[in-house]
Amino acid sequence: DIQMTQSPSSLSASVGDRVTITCRASQSISSYLNWYQQKPGKAPKLLIYAASSLQSGVPSRFSGSGSGTDFTLTISSLQPEDFATYYCQQSYSTPWTFGPGTKVDIK
Amino acid sequence: QVQLVESGGGLVKPGGSLRLSCAASGFTFSDYYMSWIRQAPGKGLEWVSYISSSGSTIYYADSVKGRFTISRDNAKNSLYLQMNSLRAEDTAVYYCARVKVVAATPYYYYYYMDVWGKGTTVTVSS
Repeated sequence: DIQMTQSPSSLSASVGDRVTITCRASQSISSYLNWYQQKPGKAPKLLIYAASSLQSGVPSRFSGSGSGTDFTLTISSLQPEDFATYYCQQSYSTPWTFGPGTKVDIK
Repeated sequence: QVQLVESGGGLVKPGGSLRLSCAASGFTFSDYYMSWIRQAPGKGLEWVSYISSSGSTIYYADSVKGRFTISRDNAKNSLYLQMNSLRAEDTAVYYCARVKVVAATPYYYYYYMDVWGKGTTVTVSS
């Protein structure tokens, strides 16, 4: 199985900050990497698919990059509604696996 | 609008069974792969299973293989998860999700879960 790790596990940031979350796969997954946002008590929401493609309706302050084993989700200017937990997920091979999540909260 | 609504969760004793349903609306259900994902209390997301649009291709996580069965009824726009031999560690919120499949190369496809339901809670406890 492909293991996914994320760093940091949590971070505190202020509105307007640039935030970067890293996701690493235990083997190369090309660009078969998706990012989701989850707020407490809510279902996850797709942000980025295929490592760098922005899902329709998602604000352009979100961006994704990377390929192979190392990936990054960047929020260019953090907004109040962005405080949430972010998960990466590989779809290169089954079983699909998620990273453990990165919680972004208010500094 | 595009919507997925899960139902069927509840409290069940260890060793018991439960059948979850997911009702789809607002899109052509038979065109899409579908998936189940779960989240134990206070934990991260765990993929459980997916099924192709026709039902001919199915995959499971090792943690549920042999105990859970995914199925679909395209005429009823519904996805199911039959859960048998339930264990305490199966306690979770179960989400159904629509899977978008996009060709990346002639032999590889991007899979991503673009629409999610609100989830249904399964509690396994004596």
